[in-house]
Amino acid sequence: GAVVSQHPSWVICKSGTSVKIECRSLDFQATTMFWYRQFPKQSLMLMATSNEGSKATYEQGVEKDKFLINHASLTLSTLTVTSAHPEDSSFYICSARSTGAGANVLTFGAGSRLTVL
Amino acid sequence: SQQGEEDPQALSIQEGENATMNCSYKTSINNLQWYRQNSGRGLVHLILIRSNEREKHSGRLRVTLDTSKKSSSLLITASRAADTASYFCATDEEYGNKLVFGAGTILRVKS
Repeated sequence: GAVVSQHPSWVICKSGTSVKIECRSLDFQATTMFWYRQFPKQSLMLMATSNEGSKATYEQGVEKDKFLINHASLTLSTLTVTSAHPEDSSFYICSARSTGAGANVLTFGAGSRLTVL
Repeated sequence: SQQGEEDPQALSIQEGENATMNCSYKTSINNLQWYRQNSGRGLVHLILIRSNEREKHSGRLRVTLDTSKKSSSLLITASRAADTASYFCATDEEYGNKLVFGAGTILRVKS
Protein backbone atom coordinates (compact mmCIF):
# COMPACT_ATOMS: atom_id res chain seq x y z
CA GLY A 1 0.00 0.00 0.00
CA ALA A 2 0.86 3.67 -0.14
CA VAL A 3 3.54 4.79 2.30
CA VAL A 4 4.45 8.30 3.37
CA SER A 5 7.72 8.86 5.17
CA GLN A 6 8.14 11.91 7.38
CA HIS A 7 11.45 13.07 8.78
CA PRO A 8 12.56 13.90 11.39
CA SER A 9 10.18 12.20 13.82
CA TRP A 10 11.19 14.62 16.53
CA VAL A 11 13.34 17.69 16.75
CA ILE A 12 14.39 20.08 19.50
CA CYS A 13 15.68 23.49 18.54
CA LYS A 14 16.52 26.83 20.04
CA SER A 15 14.23 29.79 19.70
CA GLY A 16 15.00 31.80 16.57
CA THR A 17 16.30 28.92 14.47
CA SER A 18 14.57 27.35 11.48
CA VAL A 19 13.54 23.73 11.20
CA LYS A 20 12.79 21.75 8.04
CA ILE A 21 10.49 18.76 7.98
CA GLU A 22 10.40 16.45 4.98
CA CYS A 23 7.49 14.43 3.69
CA ARG A 24 8.09 11.79 1.04
CA SER A 25 5.71 9.48 -0.77
CA LEU A 26 7.70 6.28 -1.14
CA ASP A 27 5.78 4.21 -3.65
CA PHE A 28 3.46 6.61 -5.37
CA GLN A 29 3.44 10.06 -6.89
CA ALA A 30 1.65 12.66 -4.83
CA THR A 31 0.45 15.67 -6.76
CA THR A 32 -1.09 17.04 -3.58
CA MET A 33 0.23 16.89 -0.05
CA PHE A 34 -1.31 18.35 3.08
CA TRP A 35 0.32 19.71 6.19
CA TYR A 36 -1.50 19.50 9.50
CA ARG A 37 -0.67 20.72 12.96
CA GLN A 38 -1.88 19.01 16.11
CA PHE A 39 -1.69 20.27 19.67
CA PRO A 40 -1.84 17.76 22.54
CA LYS A 41 -5.21 16.06 22.86
CA GLN A 42 -6.64 18.11 20.03
CA SER A 43 -7.63 17.45 16.47
CA LEU A 44 -5.63 18.01 13.32
CA MET A 45 -5.76 21.52 11.96
CA LEU A 46 -5.06 21.87 8.26
CA MET A 47 -2.28 24.39 7.70
CA ALA A 48 -1.80 24.27 3.97
CA THR A 49 -2.25 22.30 0.79
CA SER A 50 0.92 21.72 -1.15
CA ASN A 51 0.66 21.27 -4.92
CA GLU A 52 3.59 20.00 -6.94
CA GLY A 53 5.13 22.74 -9.03
CA SER A 54 2.98 25.55 -7.72
CA LYS A 55 2.55 27.67 -4.61
CA ALA A 56 0.97 26.18 -1.55
CA THR A 57 -2.54 27.17 -0.52
CA TYR A 58 -2.59 28.27 3.09
CA GLU A 59 -5.55 28.10 5.43
CA GLN A 60 -6.85 31.27 7.03
CA GLY A 61 -4.71 32.38 9.94
CA VAL A 62 -1.59 30.45 8.90
CA GLU A 63 1.39 32.69 8.26
CA LYS A 64 2.92 31.98 4.86
CA ASP A 65 6.26 33.52 5.78
CA LYS A 66 6.41 31.56 9.00
CA PHE A 67 5.62 28.17 7.55
CA LEU A 68 7.34 27.80 4.20
CA ILE A 69 6.15 24.93 2.05
CA ASN A 70 7.95 23.60 -0.99
CA HIS A 71 6.68 20.80 -3.22
CA ALA A 72 9.41 20.56 -5.79
CA SER A 73 8.76 17.02 -6.96
CA LEU A 74 5.95 14.50 -7.09
CA THR A 75 7.38 12.62 -4.12
CA LEU A 76 8.67 15.33 -1.79
CA SER A 77 7.16 18.23 0.11
CA THR A 78 8.95 20.17 2.82
CA LEU A 79 7.70 22.38 5.63
CA THR A 80 10.15 24.88 7.08
CA VAL A 81 9.27 26.56 10.35
CA THR A 82 11.22 29.80 10.20
CA SER A 83 12.46 31.66 13.25
CA ALA A 84 10.79 29.13 15.50
CA HIS A 85 9.43 30.18 18.89
CA PRO A 86 8.13 28.11 21.80
CA GLU A 87 4.53 28.62 20.65
CA ASP A 88 5.43 26.79 17.43
CA SER A 89 6.06 23.64 19.45
CA SER A 90 3.59 21.11 18.15
CA PHE A 91 3.09 17.84 16.32
CA TYR A 92 3.24 18.37 12.55
CA ILE A 93 1.80 15.69 10.28
CA CYS A 94 1.93 15.49 6.51
CA SER A 95 -0.31 13.48 4.28
CA ALA A 96 -0.62 12.75 0.62
CA ARG A 97 -3.27 11.80 -1.85
CA SER A 98 -2.25 8.97 -4.09
CA THR A 99 -3.45 8.86 -7.66
CA GLY A 100 -5.88 6.45 -9.19
CA ALA A 101 -8.61 4.55 -7.39
CA GLY A 102 -7.34 5.41 -3.92
CA ALA A 103 -7.17 9.14 -4.46
CA ASN A 104 -9.92 9.89 -1.94
CA VAL A 105 -7.94 8.46 0.93
CA LEU A 106 -5.05 10.22 2.53
CA THR A 107 -1.91 8.42 3.60
CA PHE A 108 -0.29 10.01 6.63
CA GLY A 109 3.29 10.27 7.72
CA ALA A 110 4.12 9.29 11.29
CA GLY A 111 4.42 12.94 12.29
CA SER A 112 7.18 15.22 13.53
CA ARG A 113 7.20 16.50 17.08
CA LEU A 114 8.81 19.92 17.28
CA THR A 115 9.94 21.36 20.59
CA VAL A 116 11.28 24.90 20.58
CA LEU A 117 13.22 25.87 23.67
CA SER B 1 -10.27 24.91 9.91
CA GLN B 2 -12.38 22.26 11.59
CA GLN B 3 -15.52 20.88 10.07
CA GLY B 4 -17.54 19.99 13.10
CA GLU B 5 -17.93 18.21 16.34
CA GLU B 6 -17.53 14.68 17.51
CA ASP B 7 -19.12 13.17 20.55
CA PRO B 8 -18.40 11.89 22.97
CA GLN B 9 -15.06 13.59 23.51
CA ALA B 10 -13.95 10.60 25.52
CA LEU B 11 -15.35 7.12 25.91
CA SER B 12 -14.29 4.39 28.32
CA ILE B 13 -15.70 0.88 27.94
CA GLN B 14 -14.96 -2.70 28.90
CA GLU B 15 -13.45 -5.13 26.46
CA GLY B 16 -16.18 -6.89 24.51
CA GLU B 17 -18.59 -3.97 24.61
CA ASN B 18 -19.54 -1.91 21.58
CA ALA B 19 -18.30 1.65 21.12
CA THR B 20 -20.26 4.28 19.23
CA MET B 21 -18.84 7.62 18.18
CA ASN B 22 -20.72 10.38 16.42
CA CYS B 23 -19.58 13.12 14.07
CA SER B 24 -21.37 16.18 12.73
CA TYR B 25 -20.25 18.40 9.89
CA LYS B 26 -21.32 21.62 8.22
CA THR B 27 -20.72 21.67 4.48
CA SER B 28 -21.55 19.55 1.46
CA ILE B 29 -19.24 16.60 1.11
CA ASN B 30 -18.02 14.08 -1.42
CA ASN B 31 -17.35 11.50 1.23
CA LEU B 32 -16.69 11.09 4.94
CA GLN B 33 -13.81 9.10 6.33
CA TRP B 34 -12.85 7.75 9.72
CA TYR B 35 -9.27 7.61 10.89
CA ARG B 36 -7.59 6.22 13.95
CA GLN B 37 -4.59 7.68 15.76
CA ASN B 38 -2.55 5.95 18.41
CA SER B 39 -0.98 8.31 20.91
CA GLY B 40 1.63 10.57 19.31
CA ARG B 41 1.55 8.77 15.99
CA GLY B 42 0.27 9.32 12.48
CA LEU B 43 -3.24 8.51 11.36
CA VAL B 44 -4.48 5.28 9.88
CA HIS B 45 -7.43 5.23 7.50
CA LEU B 46 -10.27 2.99 8.68
CA ILE B 47 -13.21 3.39 6.34
CA LEU B 48 -14.70 5.74 3.73
CA ILE B 49 -18.38 6.28 3.06
CA ARG B 50 -19.52 8.21 0.00
CA SER B 51 -22.19 10.88 0.15
CA ASN B 52 -24.67 8.64 -1.69
CA GLU B 53 -24.17 5.75 0.74
CA ARG B 54 -26.00 5.33 4.02
CA GLU B 55 -24.17 2.49 5.69
CA LYS B 56 -20.93 0.63 5.28
CA HIS B 57 -19.23 -2.26 7.04
CA SER B 58 -15.63 -3.30 7.37
CA GLY B 59 -14.84 -6.11 9.79
CA ARG B 60 -15.91 -4.95 13.26
CA LEU B 61 -16.57 -1.43 12.00
CA ARG B 62 -19.93 -0.08 10.94
CA VAL B 63 -20.33 3.45 9.65
CA THR B 64 -23.55 5.29 8.93
CA LEU B 65 -24.04 8.58 7.13
CA ASP B 66 -27.07 10.86 7.22
CA THR B 67 -26.49 13.70 4.79
CA SER B 68 -29.79 15.36 5.67
CA LYS B 69 -28.61 15.73 9.26
CA LYS B 70 -24.97 16.13 8.25
CA SER B 71 -23.92 13.46 10.69
CA SER B 72 -22.14 10.13 10.79
CA SER B 73 -21.53 7.45 13.35
CA LEU B 74 -18.81 4.86 13.81
CA LEU B 75 -19.62 1.66 15.66
CA ILE B 76 -16.87 -0.67 16.80
CA THR B 77 -18.30 -4.01 17.86
CA ALA B 78 -16.77 -6.43 20.36
CA SER B 79 -14.09 -3.94 21.31
CA ARG B 80 -10.58 -5.00 22.26
CA ALA B 81 -7.93 -3.33 24.38
CA ALA B 82 -5.97 -2.77 21.18
CA ASP B 83 -8.79 -0.52 19.93
CA THR B 84 -7.72 2.08 22.49
CA ALA B 85 -6.89 5.18 20.41
CA SER B 86 -8.28 8.49 19.21
CA TYR B 87 -10.80 8.32 16.40
CA PHE B 88 -11.41 11.17 13.99
CA CYS B 89 -13.96 11.73 11.30
CA ALA B 90 -12.84 13.72 8.28
CA THR B 91 -14.91 15.22 5.53
CA ASP B 92 -13.81 15.49 1.93
CA GLU B 93 -15.46 18.78 1.09
CA GLU B 94 -17.39 19.01 -2.15
CA TYR B 95 -15.97 22.38 -3.08
CA GLY B 96 -12.47 22.12 -1.76
CA ASN B 97 -9.57 19.78 -2.40
CA LYS B 98 -8.98 19.10 1.25
CA LEU B 99 -9.85 16.81 4.13
CA VAL B 100 -11.11 18.53 7.27
CA PHE B 101 -11.05 16.73 10.59
CA GLY B 102 -13.50 16.68 13.46
CA ALA B 103 -12.49 17.12 17.07
CA GLY B 104 -12.03 13.42 17.71
CA THR B 105 -13.10 10.89 20.31
CA ILE B 106 -10.62 9.35 22.71
CA LEU B 107 -11.58 5.71 23.19
CA ARG B 108 -10.24 3.65 26.04
CA VAL B 109 -11.02 -0.05 26.15
CA LYS B 110 -10.32 -1.66 29.49
CA SER B 111 -9.35 -5.30 29.68
